[in-house]
Amino acid sequence: QKEVEQDPGPLSVPEGAIVSLNCTYSNSAFQYFMWYRQYSRKGPELLMYTYSSGNKEDGRFTAQVDKSSKYISLFIRDSQPSDSATYLCVMSKTGGGADGLTFGKGTHLIIQP
Amino acid sequence: DAGVTQSPTHLIKTRGQQVTLRCSPKSGHDTVSWYQQALGQGPQFIFQYYEEEERQRGNFPDRFSGHQFPNYSSELNVNALLLGDSALYLCATRTGGRPYEQYFGPGTRLTVT
Repeated sequence: QKEVEQDPGPLSVPEGAIVSLNCTYSNSAFQYFMWYRQYSRKGPELLMYTYSSGNKEDGRFTAQVDKSSKYISLFIRDSQPSDSATYLCVMSKTGGGADGLTFGKGTHLIIQP
Repeated sequence: DAGVTQSPTHLIKTRGQQVTLRCSPKSGHDTVSWYQQALGQGPQFIFQYYEEEERQRGNFPDRFSGHQFPNYSSELNVNALLLGDSALYLCATRTGGRPYEQYFGPGTRLTVT
C-alpha cells in the first residue's frame, strides 16, 4: 500500500461548479498537510497548508483534514478554467519537510468553459 | 526576484553516462531539496541540503549525489544513468522562517536513451 493514495483522474467539471479533491494516507506520523497545484511544464506551487484536523479557508479554496480517518480534501468553489491543472496532495512528518515531502500522484482537473 | 531557477531545461543522455543538474534558490532561501517526478506520478524526495551538507535522503541509490555551494545553489549528479532515470527533476527551496513553504523551480526534463 502506498503511503498516500490519490485518484489521478482526469476529473472534468463545468465552469462554476464546486470541485472536491481527496487523498487518503496510511502513515499516522504525517502531521502537516499541503495542497500543491502544478500546471503543465511547470513546477508545483503551494496552494494551502494545514497542521491540525479541521478546515482552513483561503478565498475560493477550502482545505479539510480528518486525522482520525486519515483523509484530506480540497474544495474549490466557483471553479474557473484557469483552475485547470494537476492538484497534488502533500504530507510531511515535520513542518519544514526536513524528512522530505511525500506527494500523492496528483489529480488532473479540467474546468470546461 | 527571479524565483527558483534550474538548468538546463532539457537534457538527453545515453544509458551509462553521467549528468549534472543545477539549481539556484529563491533569494533569501538557504535550504535546497531535490525531487524526481516520473511521468504521471507525484514528485519523489531525493535529498535535502542545508549548510552545504546532505541532511536527509529519500529512497534513492548512491548513484544520486549532490552538492550545495556557499551561495546556497546546488547540484544534483546522477552516475551510470539507467533508462528508468528519465524524469522531470525538480528543485525546491525554502527558508527557516517559513519551513513549510517550499518553492519549486520549473524542473529539468532528463531523457535517457
